[in-house]
Amino acid sequence: DTAVSQTPKYLVTQMGNDKSIKCEQNLGHDTMYWYKQDSKKFLKIMFSYNNKELIINETVPNRFSPKSPDKAHLNLHINSLELGDSAVYFCASSLLNRESSGNTIYFGEGSWLTVV
Amino acid sequence: QQQVKQSPQSLIVQKGGISIINCAYENTAFDYFPWYQQFPGKGPALLIAIRPDVSEKKEGRFTISFNKSAKQFSLHIMDSQPGDSATYFCAAKKVGTASKLTFGTGTRLQVTL
Repeated sequence: DTAVSQTPKYLVTQMGNDKSIKCEQNLGHDTMYWYKQDSKKFLKIMFSYNNKELIINETVPNRFSPKSPDKAHLNLHINSLELGDSAVYFCASSLLNRESSGNTIYFGEGSWLTVV
Repeated sequence: QQQVKQSPQSLIVQKGGISIINCAYENTAFDYFPWYQQFPGKGPALLIAIRPDVSEKKEGRFTISFNKSAKQFSLHIMDSQPGDSATYFCAAKKVGTASKLTFGTGTRLQVTL
């Protein structure tokens, strides 16, 4: 069974459209994340939720809105898509306060977004 | 502001050789230093991690060396294999807090026959 699953895996859409990416984890973790990986492979955190509460909100355009209906799900909605939004978006999860494991973060396989 | 600097950007090593990737960090509050391995089309996966109370950690062919005073850590892959060809990311964070995992810029490793 996939630990962190996200859909869709591939998404091609036109500029100006609104799209959503869904993520679910079955690891029993209390914290979920969205990371963006650009064309140069640089990984940068966008958002993090702990028990449905937003705890990290990096400098991201407000066209990006995360939503966590419960601690096993974290969705990402993007309004008015722009060419520069083309990237791979990774969902991830962890146990925030598991000191012994150092908060190992488990990543999904990514959602490849192409804006044309 | 790049808080975790990683080098080299790319690395070609012959099968059986040693691959070495270096990282340097700035934030002295960091106390957890993982390395992630990413294959094409896949998400990053934890390879090995170290806390600053030890100077070295070894798991199979993978070893992290940690130098707290220099704020540097490195990944050594012994007996490199073609299956090790991937992108490697170092990262750092402060454990047990809501702080983010900050990644290095990645090293693309190619192990040739």
